[in-house]
Amino acid sequence: KAGVTQTPRYLIKTRGQQVTLSCSPISGHRSVSWYQQTPGQGLQFLFEYFSETQRNKGNFPGRFSGRQFSNSRSEMNVSTLELGDSALYLCASTGGYVLSTDTQYFGPGTRLTVL
Amino acid sequence: AQTVTQSQPEMSVQEAETVTLSCTYDTSESDYYLFWYKQPPSRQMILVIRQEAYKQQNATENRFSVNFQKAAKSFSLKISDSQLGDAAMYFCAYRSDNYNQGGKLIFGQGTELSVKP
Repeated sequence: KAGVTQTPRYLIKTRGQQVTLSCSPISGHRSVSWYQQTPGQGLQFLFEYFSETQRNKGNFPGRFSGRQFSNSRSEMNVSTLELGDSALYLCASTGGYVLSTDTQYFGPGTRLTVL
Repeated sequence: AQTVTQSQPEMSVQEAETVTLSCTYDTSESDYYLFWYKQPPSRQMILVIRQEAYKQQNATENRFSVNFQKAAKSFSLKISDSQLGDAAMYFCAYRSDNYNQGGKLIFGQGTELSVKP
C-alpha cells in the first residue's frame, strides 16, 4: 500500500498571502488529522476530518481551516499568513472507524516558510 | 485537559547499549492509548510502539519495550542494543478513547536521542 502523501513538500509565501496544503491518506483510510510542528510549540493538533466531517478541532484561530473530499483526500488552508505560521505541517491518516485498533500513519510533511 | 511531559530534552547512548526515555502524562480518563513515535532527520514520523491502557502487559516490539505504570501515569520507552539508526527525536503521545476526540494525538515535547559509535 502507498503511504500518506502530502503536497507540496516545500512552500515559501509572504505575509498576508493564503496557502492550501493537500494530504492523500492511505487507501481505505477515512480519517485525516493535521498537526503543526514548530520548535517553540512542538506538535499541536489542528483538526481531524472523518467521512468529510470535522470530528475534532484544536485551539487555532479561524484563519486555519480544512476540508475533506469524498475520496478522503484532505486540504488545509491558512489565510492571511503570519510569520508565526512558518512550520512543518504534518497530516496523518487512520481508518477512523474503530478507535481501539486505530493507529495514525504520518505523511512526510509540508515545510511552510512565511517571509 | 490531558497533558504529556517528556522531561529529558536530550539523551545519549553508546551503540549496543540500553537507554530508557521517560514520559509522564496527566488525564482523568480511564481508557486511552499511548504511543511512542520516532522522527529522524527526514521528519517522517514513524510509529515505534503503542500501549492500550486497559492492558496490564507491557508492549514489546523487537528491541523496543515500554514500562507502563498506569497508577503513576508513567510510560517509558526502553531501547535495547541501540543502533546508529535509532538516533532521532522521540515523541510520547496520548490518545483518548472518547469517540468525540477521534484520532487526536497529544504529544510531549520530545527527546533527542543520539547514538555514539
